[in-house]
Amino acid sequence: RKEVEQDPGPFNVPEGATVAFNCTYSNSASQSFFWYRQDCRKEPKLLMSVYSSGNEDGRFTAQLNRASQYISLLIRDSKLSDSATYLCVVPKASASKIIFGSGTRLSIRP
Amino acid sequence: GAVVSQHPSRVICKSGTSVKIECRSLDFQATTMFWYRQFPKQSLMLMATSNEGSKATYEQGVEKDKFLINHASLTLSTLTVTSAHPEDSSFYICSARAVPASGGIDTQYFGPGTRLTVL
Repeated sequence: RKEVEQDPGPFNVPEGATVAFNCTYSNSASQSFFWYRQDCRKEPKLLMSVYSSGNEDGRFTAQLNRASQYISLLIRDSKLSDSATYLCVVPKASASKIIFGSGTRLSIRP
Repeated sequence: GAVVSQHPSRVICKSGTSVKIECRSLDFQATTMFWYRQFPKQSLMLMATSNEGSKATYEQGVEKDKFLINHASLTLSTLTVTSAHPEDSSFYICSARAVPASGGIDTQYFGPGTRLTVL
């Protein structure tokens, strides 16, 4: 099993729709998780951190399910500017290294 | 948030030459920096962990003699791709680890990346 797995998509949804995607992780000892956003040919930018059961920031909600070892990202009222690749990130338990998922591509259409 | 810069942003070179990429943390000190490589339509792959004042730690499959890393100060790490070949063409991204003074979870801040094209 990969350390971090994501549905690569692409997800193609209309503007204003709600979209959600998951990320599964293999290390049950992981305590913190992150969602990064990466635009084409740009560096990843931190979107949200998830330490406990979940986190909400405006239209974005991240949830953590420790029993099933997955985190999810929900985007409500999607905007055209939300089109990007969303990377799930899980720190390695014994080091400061982080592991990136392969990313989920999201495309919002007018 | 914290700022990390990379230089150059883009480089095109002939096969066999060496290319140096700099990564700087502009407003914080980073004892640890990371170097990643990203091929088109793929995710970031960690190449090595750069530790200030000590040798870098390379991931499995990454040649340490080909990808030389130097972390001479708390704000600067360099990656040198020696004798570059076309298969080394990629997007190289660095990140710097920021540890909160008050404790808690540290965060990695990414540089804007360097696009290397080897002809």
